[in-house]
Amino acid sequence: GNSVTQMEGPVTLSEEAFLTINCTYTATGYPSLFWYVQYPGEGLQLLLKATKADDKGSNKGFEATYRKETTSFHLEKGSVQVSDSAVYFCALGGYNKLIFGAGTRLAVHP
Amino acid sequence: DAGVIQSPRHEVTEMGQEVTLRCKPISGHNSLFWYRQTMMRGLELLIYFNNNVPIDDSGMPEDRFSAKMPNASFSTLKIQPSEPRDSAVYFCACQSKGSTNEKLFFGSGTQLSVL
Repeated sequence: GNSVTQMEGPVTLSEEAFLTINCTYTATGYPSLFWYVQYPGEGLQLLLKATKADDKGSNKGFEATYRKETTSFHLEKGSVQVSDSAVYFCALGGYNKLIFGAGTRLAVHP
Repeated sequence: DAGVIQSPRHEVTEMGQEVTLRCKPISGHNSLFWYRQTMMRGLELLIYFNNNVPIDDSGMPEDRFSAKMPNASFSTLKIQPSEPRDSAVYFCACQSKGSTNEKLFFGSGTQLSVL
């Protein structure tokens, strides 16, 4: 079946460091891929998405490219801020529902 | 728009008690999802509805769990009787009409603690 695997956290970085959070998937067909972010005490919210191979999703300085050949959708940001501290979820879009990875906690300190 | 509204925000109860979680989705969003989040298992889909009809409840862990959507603006998730292992954050999410892979809008969740 479809599944998503994310790198385990927590990821701890200094402000302005480069961020990569790895995500790989297993799926039949050509699903859409998503990154969601969860700030403390809140629900998840969509960060970015890509709907087909080689698409790049981007938002708030974050980017991820849909790589069909490596079945990956790694999240990157060139310079993180303290306000980026949150839990990040990779997700795969199946018909009428999303399958989420386990989440990766990011902690950014000044 | 107020977004997805869940209540209560926090619930503390004793084992064996009935618990009812409530959700008001965004108006016009015709798909509604209930998720459970724990440290051990991450985010699990429990059940989802399309046009108030339950489509897939394969994620509901046991018969103690039940969900209803009597109309387009309200859904409940009930646990009876509750057990300590049900302690988790329960999220309601909705999706807009006509989309299959568009984004979900999440509520702020209900933190459930069963003692």
